[in-house]
Amino acid sequence: AAGVIQSPRHLIKEKRETATLKCYPIPRHDTVYWYQQGPGQDPQFLISFYEKMQSDKGSIPDRFSAQQFSDYHSELNMSSLELGDSALYFCASSSDRGISYEQYFGPGTRLTVT
Amino acid sequence: SQKIEQNSEALNIQEGKTATLTCNYTNYSPAYLQWYRQDPGRGPVFLLLIRENEKEKRKERLKVTFDTTLKQSLFHITASQPADSATYLCALEGFQKLVFGTGTRLLVSP
Repeated sequence: AAGVIQSPRHLIKEKRETATLKCYPIPRHDTVYWYQQGPGQDPQFLISFYEKMQSDKGSIPDRFSAQQFSDYHSELNMSSLELGDSALYFCASSSDRGISYEQYFGPGTRLTVT
Repeated sequence: SQKIEQNSEALNIQEGKTATLTCNYTNYSPAYLQWYRQDPGRGPVFLLLIRENEKEKRKERLKVTFDTTLKQSLFHITASQPADSATYLCALEGFQKLVFGTGTRLLVSP
């Protein structure tokens, strides 16, 4: 079965640079979520989109932005990167907003900021 | 403030025994609670969902209970196997989004 696809899997950037992470949800899933997970920490919700509209916002820094496109894929744009942005970034998708149903997570993008 | 607590210490058990993990929460009234498994460097994988009107749910060797009075969920793995070794996260519905606990690492030794 098709799973959530994230690219790239690994990304190394320098401070103050910009990064773009991509997420391709499971076909026919209408909701995409972005999470940030630091070492030894739980996934922290950043932002979500339902039917291409932002549906909820969590602890996402103002330096980050995201959108969902007409083909339902989503991109997380991160600017003015800081060392503290180094983390695993997961995208998850679900149908029916995912609140009452499970979310399917991608393999993650490991971002390292040097 | 809202809080989800899972035992931060790793749980070490022997193969064949039952593992029991705890998830306690405060200042939530979730309609649903979910359990996920996460292996190092990988995304969480959904295991079970239990609704507030359900006391218990089972799936193969997994069992989840949900006590809304105690504000607690217990996650059991019976006949545990070394392949069950992973971090297990509970997640609650909180203001239209999932909020994860910090997870408990389970180590099953042969």
